Amino acid sequence: GQQVMQIPQYQHVQEGEDFTTYCNSSTTLSNIQWYKQRPGGHPVFLIQLVKSGEVKKQKRLTFQFGEAKKNSSLHITATQTTDVGTYFCAGWDNYGQNFVFGPGTRLSVLP
Amino acid sequence: ETGVTQTPRHLVMGMTNKKSLKCEQHLGHNAMYWYKQSAKKPLELMFVYNFKEQTENNSVPSRFSPECPNSSHLFLHLHTLQPEDSALYLCASSQDQGAGSPLHFGNGTRLTVT
Repeated sequence: GQQVMQIPQYQHVQEGEDFTTYCNSSTTLSNIQWYKQRPGGHPVFLIQLVKSGEVKKQKRLTFQFGEAKKNSSLHITATQTTDVGTYFCAGWDNYGQNFVFGPGTRLSVLP
Repeated sequence: ETGVTQTPRHLVMGMTNKKSLKCEQHLGHNAMYWYKQSAKKPLELMFVYNFKEQTENNSVPSRFSPECPNSSHLFLHLHTLQPEDSALYLCASSQDQGAGSPLHFGNGTRLTVT
């Protein structure tokens, strides 16, 4: 079945440093979504990417969808303590039938 | 503030108890979901309802029983649970079931089975 993996599992950064998490799917995706879950909170939708090679930005966050639509990345520039949380990618298979979450990358930001 | 409300926020129950989790969405969405989130595990999809009809049941044990009386309400009835069922249970909704519809999650119910 479809599997979605994320690396790294954990990342500790100093405030102001950059951070990147990578998402890889075992199958081609029709689109990919990113979610953020703060400690003690629930996942919150951040963005959706649909097109091959698509790049979207939200302030300090840059999201990219791979050319083969099997991988994606989230890059945060100059992290802040408010960026702390777990970042999940989630992808739909090409038939729009299966929606699978990755295990998440937990980000810690040291002030 | 979330447009998806879950109650209770916390629940402690014994293995012989029967309890129910409630979810209500105020977003006018057509699809509702139950997810289980355990420590160190990916989010696990349990059930999906689309227009009140169950469209997915991911091999969930029968001690979990969903109910969807209308598109705005979703319940998860629990009975004879095991300690390994302790987890955060998240309800979510989306405009439609399918690619392109982001999920809106509730705050979850933290369940502890003793």
